[in-house]
Amino acid sequence: DTGVSQNPRHKITKRGQNVTFRCDPISEHNRLYWYRQTLGQGPEFLTYFQNEAQLEKSRLLSDRFSAERPKGSFSTLEIQRTEQGDSAMYLCASSLISGATANTGELFFGEGSRLTVL
Amino acid sequence: GNSVTQMEGPVTLSEEAFLTINCTYTATGYPSLFWYVQYPGEGLQLLLKATKADDKGSNKGFEATYRKETTSFHLEKGSVQVSDSAVYFCAPGGGYNKLIFGAGTRLAVHP
Repeated sequence: DTGVSQNPRHKITKRGQNVTFRCDPISEHNRLYWYRQTLGQGPEFLTYFQNEAQLEKSRLLSDRFSAERPKGSFSTLEIQRTEQGDSAMYLCASSLISGATANTGELFFGEGSRLTVL
Repeated sequence: GNSVTQMEGPVTLSEEAFLTINCTYTATGYPSLFWYVQYPGEGLQLLLKATKADDKGSNKGFEATYRKETTSFHLEKGSVQVSDSAVYFCAPGGGYNKLIFGAGTRLAVHP
């Protein structure tokens, strides 16, 4: 399978615990995005990377959230001291940005990691 | 930044009915426009896209035309099937710009 892979698919945790999600993008893609989706809503942008550089962070990304992409390949999203309001589906997407695709490139999404905070 | 307004759902149709889901956007410049679909229990999938004004994106019988003058990208299908039941998201952006998604429109098609 050469699509975007996310792990774990489902995480149940108690309030106050830390959780980490991993995303493996399509191998040749240089951009990687994190979105959050709550029930009945569209995906909300959290942050994105171009290669290993984190270029933008949404105001939704509080200090408890941190994302990394250390080698420009896979990425991790960590949530510290989880709260019930963090319960959501966390979506990862990747894309290839080059001169030829600069204005046309769509995002390819993984199936998401569902977080439930009790 | 970009924003998008989508027709509220749910939309309930009988099989073979005509479908329109409205989408209007605000954006800096002229973004690409996308429709994504989320089938029950699955991830977001690209349905169709258009990259410049007057372009028509099409796929699986769905169509949408990039209307710069009305900043719209309405989704249409002439004859829906039960298998089209899903949530549909309109999103401007793409390329150098991140996608901004609407709230989604749930479509339920009954036999």
